[in-house]
Amino acid sequence: KAGVTQTPRYLIKTRGQQVTLSCSPISGHRSVSWYQQTPGQGLQFLFEYFSETQRNKGNFPGRFSGRQFSNSRSEMNVSTLELGDSALYLCASSTTLAGVYNEQFFGPGTRLTVL
Amino acid sequence: AQSVAQPEDQVNVAEGNPLTVKCTYSVSGNPYLFWYVQYPNRGLQFLLKYITGDNLVKGSYGFEAEFNKSQTSFHLKKPSALVSDSALYFCAVSALVNNAGNMLTFGGGTRLMVKP
Repeated sequence: KAGVTQTPRYLIKTRGQQVTLSCSPISGHRSVSWYQQTPGQGLQFLFEYFSETQRNKGNFPGRFSGRQFSNSRSEMNVSTLELGDSALYLCASSTTLAGVYNEQFFGPGTRLTVL
Repeated sequence: AQSVAQPEDQVNVAEGNPLTVKCTYSVSGNPYLFWYVQYPNRGLQFLLKYITGDNLVKGSYGFEAEFNKSQTSFHLKKPSALVSDSALYFCAVSALVNNAGNMLTFGGGTRLMVKP
């Protein structure tokens, strides 16, 4: 089985712009989660989608949004970029409805740099 | 709310020696605990998990972890370290949110350096 894929792998944007990141989960996985990784804040949960519905959302401003399509692929969008949004954005997928017991499988991440 | 602490930013060990990476947690219900490893420019790779049952959990690449409920700890161990084990290790706790879905809360990470 192919793993979780994320595109693009690297992105450079300037302040005020918006960006869309894409994630394709492992085939058959219906839960997709997004995390932000920075040196200062570590790994932080952004949101989780299951069957095209956002189930949970972390403590991030409304500039961060996402969606999931019927094929389970997911996108996240960040509008009005700030310097502090520079980070590695990780997507993870997992199986089942209540996935608390199941490991998540992570993609390689998208490295976003905001200038 | 749940939290995870990894008290050591870095652990140094000689190749062939045993290693331990420490993790303590705080959760209001049953703890569901995970260890992940991250190599440079890569995503996180799952190593092992504790859901219930035996306190000693065996995982990938010869790693194991010991769950201790009284000390709220879940330390990662390996009997004999390899240079290739050098990486960033994250402990995480999984929580059921709003009776649906899941969310991983990570510790700050511990960099493991294995020297030849």
